[in-house]
Amino acid sequence: AQRVTQPEKLLSVFKGAPVELKCNYSYSGSPELFWYVQYSRQRLQLLLRHISRESIKGFTADLNKGETSFHLKKPFAQEEDSAMYYCALSVGSWGKLQFGAGTQVVVTP
Amino acid sequence: DAGVIQSPRHEVTEMGQEVTLRCKPISGHDYLFWYRQTMMRGLELLIYFNNNVPIDDSGMPEDRFSAKMPNASFSTLKIQPSEPRDSAVYFCASSWDRVHNEQFFGPGTRLTVL
Repeated sequence: AQRVTQPEKLLSVFKGAPVELKCNYSYSGSPELFWYVQYSRQRLQLLLRHISRESIKGFTADLNKGETSFHLKKPFAQEEDSAMYYCALSVGSWGKLQFGAGTQVVVTP
Repeated sequence: DAGVIQSPRHEVTEMGQEVTLRCKPISGHDYLFWYRQTMMRGLELLIYFNNNVPIDDSGMPEDRFSAKMPNASFSTLKIQPSEPRDSAVYFCASSWDRVHNEQFFGPGTRLTVL
């Protein structure tokens, strides 16, 4: 069965420090992975997807099929990065998303 | 565009009452998703529609839950009868198509069942 694991419920980092959010998945098919973010008082929204291989707001994520991971990284955290981050796996042919439990990131000055 | 619209934003009801949550997807989106978010279980997909047709309802917890999409611009999620364990935030999301696969979420409905 497919599964998305985000082992950290809370990640507290100082402004300017690197931040890495871990995401591991299990899926027998070819994975499509996403990171969604929810800022305080805002809607859940797409941050980035692995297929685009893009950097959004300084964040990058690399799909590592060998380690079945899709960790989200940013070299220098900013206070505005404080939010809830969800890793999501697209399963099946219809784009159904399975979300991880989420990681709350708090960036302190 | 106001994005995905959900109503009500907050609902407080008593156990045994019927609850109806409403969603208006973004115009032109072919997919509509209903999620439930709780502290214990995180964000769970309940059901989703494609072109108004339910595709996968395997996440619907039990027969007390039902969802409909009578047309492309409106969907409802109904709980009858409601129970305290149904208390959660319910999100609706919509998407263009399978290729894009970016889901646009509504603000959610916070349901409290007393």
